[in-house]
Amino acid sequence: GAGVSQSPSNKVTEKGKDVELRCDPISGHTALYWYRQSLGQGLEFLIYFQGNSAPDKSGLPSDRFSAERTGGSVSTLTIQRTQQEDSAVYLCASSWEGTASTDTQYFGPGTRLTVL
Amino acid sequence: AQKITQTQPGMFVQEKEAVTLDCTYDTSDPSYGLFWYKQPSSGEMIFLIYQGSYDQQNATEGRYSLNFQKARKSANLVISASQLGDSAMYFCAMSTQYNFNKFYFGSGTKLNVKP
Repeated sequence: GAGVSQSPSNKVTEKGKDVELRCDPISGHTALYWYRQSLGQGLEFLIYFQGNSAPDKSGLPSDRFSAERTGGSVSTLTIQRTQQEDSAVYLCASSWEGTASTDTQYFGPGTRLTVL
Repeated sequence: AQKITQTQPGMFVQEKEAVTLDCTYDTSDPSYGLFWYKQPSSGEMIFLIYQGSYDQQNATEGRYSLNFQKARKSANLVISASQLGDSAMYFCAMSTQYNFNKFYFGSGTKLNVKP
């Protein structure tokens, strides 16, 4: 079946502009995660959605970052008033339930964000 | 606190030889899962192998095996018969019983397979 998809694959924006990144998880997966990967670094957790539960936003670096998940499926990560330090690859992942340490996360191809 | 440590920033291996990528972890949660991912230059994270903390046997998936030593808190990835296509970044990750809502990732190991 189809894997996790993300769009756009690349986004170049000017400092101060808002951007929206989209993630479409694997069909049937109830858990969805966003991570950020800066150049040459590991992955940094941003936010977690599971079913209809309140999201875990503990990884969002500032109030310029927000995310929503509509209808338990597609998710949008929004960065307002972008800064150069926001430049990174934003990776989305989904898992079947996301309620146990055994759940494998499957990743999308990522969105490379460049803030000029 | 949960932590994953990968101490090898880069490694070289000759084609057809085996290679071990190191991963140590730290958690006080009684139950946890350990995962390895491959990230080629294209950027996508590809799931390779999983080991549960209560699994009695080391996990294997084709040419990948996980050398799990619970007392040492290590979960090393072994790739047998390396291929040129194995050249990539490799990340070790952990999810725990009380922190199942995220993965904790190591900083990664860049593997280069030489012909």
